[in-house]
Amino acid sequence: GENVEQHPSTLSVQEGDSAVIKCTYSDSASNYFPWYKQELGKRPQLIIDIRSNVGEKKDQRIAVTLNKTAKHFSLHITETQPEDSAVYFCAALSLMEYGNKLVFGAGTILRVKS
Amino acid sequence: GAVVSQHPSWVICKSGTSVKIECRSLDFQATTMFWYRQFPKQSLMLMATSNEGSKATYEQGVEKDKFLINHASLTLSTLTVTSAHPEDSSFYICSARVWVNTEAFFGQGTRLTVV
Repeated sequence: GENVEQHPSTLSVQEGDSAVIKCTYSDSASNYFPWYKQELGKRPQLIIDIRSNVGEKKDQRIAVTLNKTAKHFSLHITETQPEDSAVYFCAALSLMEYGNKLVFGAGTILRVKS
Repeated sequence: GAVVSQHPSWVICKSGTSVKIECRSLDFQATTMFWYRQFPKQSLMLMATSNEGSKATYEQGVEKDKFLINHASLTLSTLTVTSAHPEDSSFYICSARVWVNTEAFFGQGTRLTVV
């Protein structure tokens, strides 16, 4: 089955700097890769996603890149702000016989210091 | 975006009792819903995939007799933790998708504490 690895586990950046979180996946058939932001005690919220037919997607300060050949994808946050502090999870859609499921990375705790 | 509502948001129960958690898609029909468990500072671990009108598919290591899942309609799935024990204390979250390969919307989660 799909295995998703995420690095780093924690990341501290100064306000205004950029943050990059990287994930690798194992199943070459996976075709959908979302990123979620989760604040303490709250539900995960989708911040950006990318499909396998696209190499890069950007939404204001957030961008995601996908390298299908290497089976890795990355989240880039520019001009970080204190409110970006949260746990970020990458995920890959695993195609199963009985349906499709999202397999999540272990998460990255992002701290933006002001 | 679509709304998924989960209730209760927190529950405290005595060891040995059962607890039911509801997950509703409020403005769309979800043929498939997913139940996750999340321990503090850890990732979301899929417990089972719930398909409307059929039996849930459980992930390896998840006891189907312990965690009963019912998906009786296109807008409601329930998770019942039977004979709960302190080690079942966790954050349980459901999610639903409108279509495959699209955004998954999460419920607000249920904090279960078994005392």
